[in-house]
Amino acid sequence: DQQVKQNSPSLSVQEGRISILNCDYTNSMFDYFLWYKKYPAEGPTFLISISSIKDKNEDGRFTVFLNKSAKHLSLHIVPSQPGDSAVYFCAASGGSGGSNYKLTFGKGTLLTVNP
Amino acid sequence: NAGVMQNPRHLVRRRGQEARLRCSPMKGHSHVYWYRQLPEEGLKFMVYLQKENIIDESGMPKERFSAEFPKEGPSILRIQQVVRGDSAAYFCASSPPPSGTQYFGPGTRLLVL
Repeated sequence: DQQVKQNSPSLSVQEGRISILNCDYTNSMFDYFLWYKKYPAEGPTFLISISSIKDKNEDGRFTVFLNKSAKHLSLHIVPSQPGDSAVYFCAASGGSGGSNYKLTFGKGTLLTVNP
Repeated sequence: NAGVMQNPRHLVRRRGQEARLRCSPMKGHSHVYWYRQLPEEGLKFMVYLQKENIIDESGMPKERFSAEFPKEGPSILRIQQVVRGDSAAYFCASSPPPSGTQYFGPGTRLLVL
């Protein structure tokens, strides 16, 4: 029962273009969403988050969009840089019992930015 | 301003041995979380602790696994009588309040032979 889904295992884009990573969720109680970036043999690094009361949050080259009715969020990276090549995890918290500390992760999308 | 520290980074154990994984949270953080990542999977929540208290261990296997966060010292995740299926990356995260953003350590990669 996967509550957070990242349906694209991998994505390849050219340097300077936009990268769009997608994430879908099934639990309508989730109210906080995060994106993490992970390099091999390292821990996840926090990138950006969004609360369910918003539909967009921007931080430099990174923008997260939330569509609650579709239970869908996306991370836009523009312009993409080779250093952005990593696995990107979508995570969500909230849910029943007030467990707003318990992050539920997707399986990740491997982004490759080609020079 | 050190981040979350975990040690060891790599741990090799034979079946039946014990594994002890340590985690020191970021300075000023008093909430610690442990997650496990199996190959080709996302991270799965295991346990949430505050100093001297286990708040939620709903993600912990019922047997052989235990966690603590003593008043002094790091948080410890202990796995007794390890089996091959315990081979995974174990990540610790910390946060100031529990609903805040969680910051992860580099992980401990456990290999059970």
